[in-house]
Amino acid sequence: RKEVEQDPGPFNVPEGATVAFNCTYSNSASQSFFWYRQDCRKEPKLLMSVYSSGNEDGRFTAQLNRASQYISLLIRDSKLSDSATYLCVVNSKAAGNKLTFGGGTRVLVKP
Amino acid sequence: NAGVTQTPKFRVLKTGQSMTLLCAQDMNHEYMYWYRQDPGMGLRLIHYSVGEGTTAKGEVPDGYNVSRLKKQNFLLGLESAAPSQTSVYFCASSWTEREQYFGPGTRLTVT
Repeated sequence: RKEVEQDPGPFNVPEGATVAFNCTYSNSASQSFFWYRQDCRKEPKLLMSVYSSGNEDGRFTAQLNRASQYISLLIRDSKLSDSATYLCVVNSKAAGNKLTFGGGTRVLVKP
Repeated sequence: NAGVTQTPKFRVLKTGQSMTLLCAQDMNHEYMYWYRQDPGMGLRLIHYSVGEGTTAKGEVPDGYNVSRLKKQNFLLGLESAAPSQTSVYFCASSWTEREQYFGPGTRLTVT
């Protein structure tokens, strides 16, 4: 079983719609959680950290469910520029405090 | 402020050839990392460094060596390239074991 699992998609989303997707992690000792964004053939960039109480950054909302060991990302009012692959990233001391990346969820926003 | 740069951007090698990938950062980060990214596999950590003169193995270190003689540079070496090493290689750096800043990547093909 992969440490961090994501639905690869693609999620085809009409412009202006809301899309949400999850990521599950296997290590219950995981401490820090992030969403990175990766555009086609580009490097990953940090989108947002995920806090225990959930957090929002503009149109993006991230949630953490420690009991079920998953994190989620919701994008409201999707823009064409939101088309990208979203990488779920987990940090745990058990993994030497290093980041473990999921395979990514591809989102395609269409007019 | 260039951030993280990688040299070269593209390379084609024949099986058995050697090469060195160079990563440079100008943010005075202590931590540096080398990842490879393959379709459906996500980013996998090859080697990392927590400071000048230190290196450590990541998830997939076999067939690679690294050196960090200067704080700003992290070199990844392939002594005898194999087709299985065809991949996109990303370097990253960070202040802590949290947010990482990535370089633009090196696309390597081994024939």
